[in-house]
Amino acid sequence: EPEVTQTPSHQVTQMGQEVILRCVPISNHLYFYWYRQILGQKVEFLVSFYNNEISEKSEIFDDQFSVERPDGSNFTLKIRSTKLEDSAMYFCASTGQGGTGELFFGEGSRLTVL
Amino acid sequence: GQQVMQIPQYQHVQEGEDFTTYCNSSTTLSNIQWYKQRPGGHPVFLIQLVKSGEVKKQKRLTFQFGEAKKNSSLHITATQTTDVGTYFCAGHANAGNNRKLIWGLGTSLAVNP
Repeated sequence: EPEVTQTPSHQVTQMGQEVILRCVPISNHLYFYWYRQILGQKVEFLVSFYNNEISEKSEIFDDQFSVERPDGSNFTLKIRSTKLEDSAMYFCASTGQGGTGELFFGEGSRLTVL
Repeated sequence: GQQVMQIPQYQHVQEGEDFTTYCNSSTTLSNIQWYKQRPGGHPVFLIQLVKSGEVKKQKRLTFQFGEAKKNSSLHITATQTTDVGTYFCAGHANAGNNRKLIWGLGTSLAVNP
């Protein structure tokens, strides 16, 4: 069964450092998403991406965040200067079906900012 | 803004008891999806409901979508320890940006063996 893969599974970084989280969505999907989840809390939408551009972003997704699809397979989330409150699990997801169907989630990248 | 409220936030049951979680949207939805997240895991899609009044079953799980397409429920009959996790509902708005999925806060289910 096709799956969304994410790397790294866990990253520890110092406050102020840049972090790049990587995702490989399912190959025939066209809509890509990043979500984050602080431990034990809700799933929070960060950004959606379609046709090589951001289609929607939340208020969490400020200037410190950016996304890119550099090579047609990877979908990356960059945090330019990490803050303590960026510590969370970051989930990548993708979907086909016009963007309103089932979301397939990766297993997540746990980011710990010290 | 558009919101999806989900209750209860937590539920603790004895194995074999039933469990229900409810979702209410502030606006009409075009569809509603349910996801399950096991402890330490990622959300996994369970089902999507599209039609007004729709009811779907998956073994011991029964999903309903309200007639007004603003509420939904997930009912688990005779819970098992494998049902432990957080259940999220998420809906697409019926107007405007209907690709935006609006998530509930989730209901965490604990099952005592």
